Amino acid sequence: DQQVKQNSPSLSVQEGRISILNCDYTNSMFDYFLWYKKYPAEGPTFLISISSIKDKNEDGRFTVFLNKSAKHLSLHIVPSQPGDSAVYFCAASVEGTSYGKLTFGQGTILTVHP
Amino acid sequence: GAVVSQHPSRVICKSGTSVKIECRSLDFQATTMFWYRQFPKKSLMLMATSNEGSKATYEQGVEKDKFLINHASLTLSTLTVTSAHPEDSSFYICSASGAGDIQYFGAGTRLSVL
Repeated sequence: DQQVKQNSPSLSVQEGRISILNCDYTNSMFDYFLWYKKYPAEGPTFLISISSIKDKNEDGRFTVFLNKSAKHLSLHIVPSQPGDSAVYFCAASVEGTSYGKLTFGQGTILTVHP
Repeated sequence: GAVVSQHPSRVICKSGTSVKIECRSLDFQATTMFWYRQFPKKSLMLMATSNEGSKATYEQGVEKDKFLINHASLTLSTLTVTSAHPEDSSFYICSASGAGDIQYFGAGTRLSVL
């Protein structure tokens, strides 16, 4: 049972435009959400997170939106850059802390074309 | 961000042998370490959670006698794949977190069992 789903396996965007990566979850107990970025042959690196008490968190070019009623979150990257090309994983935690067990989505491959 | 070193990055072994993978937090004390496995085109699947000085907590379906985890210090955890078989071939990633902090990931280990 996939509790965190990223239904788009890949996304292609032109440099300078907005990239929108989506993530859905089924477990209503999840209360902390994170986005990780992964390059080939490297481990995931933390990008941005959001607590369930918020609906938006922004950090530079990255903004995460959370819609609790729809059990949906999205990551917006504006403007997109070729260096953003990577696999993006969303992850969720049920224990109310950022260091709790994480459940990951399948990942979305983002390609940003120059 | 914090640095987590995972070694080796790649290992090829014969069926029936045991393989040890090390995960070290280089610049912080990791109170909790996590071990994940990633199948091709699949999400990161949590195998076990370990706290320093105590036994690891394994996820359902993960054989504890097959995947031995030792978290002997606040900077080192090891995963030993015992009597490895071809079906154990996979990408294994560790992560570490300090108290109240996010998980920082190692670069992963590609295990190939012949």
